[in-house]
Amino acid sequence: DQQVKQNSPSLSVQEGRISILNCDYTNSMFDYFLWYKKYPAEGPTFLISISSIKDKNEDGRFTVFLNKSAKHLSLHIVPSQPGDSAVYFCAASGDYGGSQGNLIFGKGTKLSVKP
Amino acid sequence: DAMVIQNPRYQVTQFGKPVTLSCSQTLNHNVMYWYQQKSSQAPKLLFHYYDKDFNNEADTPDNFQSRRPNTSFCFLDIRSPGLGDTAMYLCATSRDLAGYEAFFGQGTRLTVV
Repeated sequence: DQQVKQNSPSLSVQEGRISILNCDYTNSMFDYFLWYKKYPAEGPTFLISISSIKDKNEDGRFTVFLNKSAKHLSLHIVPSQPGDSAVYFCAASGDYGGSQGNLIFGKGTKLSVKP
Repeated sequence: DAMVIQNPRYQVTQFGKPVTLSCSQTLNHNVMYWYQQKSSQAPKLLFHYYDKDFNNEADTPDNFQSRRPNTSFCFLDIRSPGLGDTAMYLCATSRDLAGYEAFFGQGTRLTVV
C-alpha cells in the first residue's frame, strides 16, 4: 500500500513553459516533504523541501506547494529548461510509530523538457 | 566533491555468493540509510543507523545485514543474494532523523546472475 503516490509516470513540457509535478500522500502523520531529482546512473539529489507548517516554499525556479487538507503537494518549475529533464521523486517523513525521519518515496515522474 | 561515496558503482555477483556494498560520508552526519530501488519503483528503505543504533524495517529480509564501524562508513551485506535482489542500492546520510534532507550517493547497481 503506497503512502506516497506520484500518479503520472511521465510529463513532457516545452522549454520556457511551466512544469507541474504532483504528489499525493495518505499518511496524515507526515510532516516534512521533499522533492528529489535523479539523472540516470546517479543517486537522487535533493531539490527542495517543505514543512507541514507552511503551504509554500520557493527556491529560484522551483516552488513547492502543500495542501494538507487534500494531502497533496506539487512542484512547479518555471521556466522549464532542457537540463531539468530527469526523474523527480516526491518523499515524505514524519515522527510516528518508530518511523521518525524515514523517507517514504513515490515512484517518480520522468520529466522531459523539449527545446 | 562527492560527500557520500558508494563503492563499487557496479557489482555482478553469483546467486548465493555473499556480497558487500560500501558507503562512506564526509558530512559527519548522524544518520546513514540504505535503500533498495528496483526498476521503475520507489526507493525502499531497508534500514538505517542513528549513530550506532541500528533500525531495521519490518519487511527487510534477514538476508540483508548492515554494519557501521564508525561515523564515516556503513556497509550493506547480502548473505545469500537471490535473483530478486538485483537492484540499485542507495546509501544516504542525514544530519538527524527529522526535518532534514537526506544526501544520497551515486548508488551501486547490483546484478545477481
